[in-house]
Amino acid sequence: EVQLVESGGGLVQPGASLKLSCVASGFTFSDYWMSWVRQTPGKTMEWIGDIKYDGSYTNYVPSLKNRFTISRDNAKSTLYLQMSNVRSEDTASYYCTRDGYSGADYWGQGVMVTVSS
Amino acid sequence: DIRMTQSPASLSASLGETVNIECLASEDIYSDLAWYQQKPGKSPQLLIYNANSLQNGVPSRFSGSGSGTQYSLKINSLQSEDVATYFCQQYNNYPRTFGGGTKLELK
Repeated sequence: EVQLVESGGGLVQPGASLKLSCVASGFTFSDYWMSWVRQTPGKTMEWIGDIKYDGSYTNYVPSLKNRFTISRDNAKSTLYLQMSNVRSEDTASYYCTRDGYSGADYWGQGVMVTVSS
Repeated sequence: DIRMTQSPASLSASLGETVNIECLASEDIYSDLAWYQQKPGKSPQLLIYNANSLQNGVPSRFSGSGSGTQYSLKINSLQSEDVATYFCQQYNNYPRTFGGGTKLELK
């Protein structure tokens, strides 16, 4: 059974950094592109970026490229999202997803990040 | 960026009714479109990919159609378990972009 389990969320102050993790199981992690997607409290979905199966290439939404970094450790079957200089508008639920060739075929349960002083 | 305009934003329908949700892309996305269902308090799940292909395990009352810039999701014979928010997403181009969502409720 495919499972994606995010962690690392919580309450963080504006300007701080935070690193989210997503541990994958039930499939060969190193065979798949992976992505991060976030959903605001108002339910808007925003794709953050993705990473190639071997970690050699990443894509980002331009508005977050300078502050967010996606990485992976295939030996640990773990995907990461490093968030820096966070702002109130980064408050959202963050999901990791497995990318099939056509859409995100599995989603984690999500982790909440709240940016507030 | 490709803008995805989804309509309606909310929808109320009766059990057994047929429901249609539309998604309009700002440019041709060549059927690189997915539909997701998000039930209250849950993560999204893939329903349809490549505009009209049903994901494994998804009931056949769900179907997708469209091409170019116009796409739709159809739910036949609405069931109570279909109460959810539905999102479209294009994956033809980077950055991937989502529609604003359609919240489906029972009348």
